[in-house]
Amino acid sequence: AQTVTQSQPEMSVQEAETVTLSCTYDTSESDYYLFWYKQPPSRQMILVIRQEAYKQQNATENRFSVNFQKAAKSFSLKISDSQLGDAAMYFCAYRREVETSGSRLTFGEGTQLTVNP
Amino acid sequence: DAGVTQSPTHLIKTRGQQVTLRCSPKSGHDTVSWYQQALGQGPQFIFQYYEEEERQRGNFPDRFSGHQFPNYSSELNVNALLLGDSALYLCASSGRQGRSELFFGEGSRLTVL
Repeated sequence: AQTVTQSQPEMSVQEAETVTLSCTYDTSESDYYLFWYKQPPSRQMILVIRQEAYKQQNATENRFSVNFQKAAKSFSLKISDSQLGDAAMYFCAYRREVETSGSRLTFGEGTQLTVNP
Repeated sequence: DAGVTQSPTHLIKTRGQQVTLRCSPKSGHDTVSWYQQALGQGPQFIFQYYEEEERQRGNFPDRFSGHQFPNYSSELNVNALLLGDSALYLCASSGRQGRSELFFGEGSRLTVL
């Protein structure tokens, strides 16, 4: 079974600075997807960024980027120029190759990010 | 375009009771999945519905059951509630038989006393 581990229960960052959230995962498969989701107090899970395992290039979405190390099974999220609205719980998630997994995601325990003004 | 909507937003039940939670998927989506998120933890996959049938199931007992209707909306039923069933229940919808991006609702917060 796949597992996802987030070793940082809480992180804090000053507004406008950069922060990196860590995630490691365990799988025996070669084709899969990795995601970072944000869950603000409104409770709705919002997709931040996704990475296909077959792509060597790290995904980037505006201020959000990932460092995907497939051999090390590591998938960290970097938030640049942090904003107050970035404060939320962040979840790392894994999904098997889509043809077999459907909509089944395996989530980590989450990292609570605080942004200080 | 309405996103994923869930009802009720909050509810309180007592041990042994039964509960039904409802979910309407995002327009154009045909697949609904349900997740349980205990306080301070990540969501856990319960099951997925497509074409009115359960297609995948996580490690949850038979007390957890579901249904999908012809309009793609879905219900999650939990029988014989336990204190440990207290959680946020998230519904997610996707298109193309679950192959496209997941969109989540805001969840139903269940408290079992």
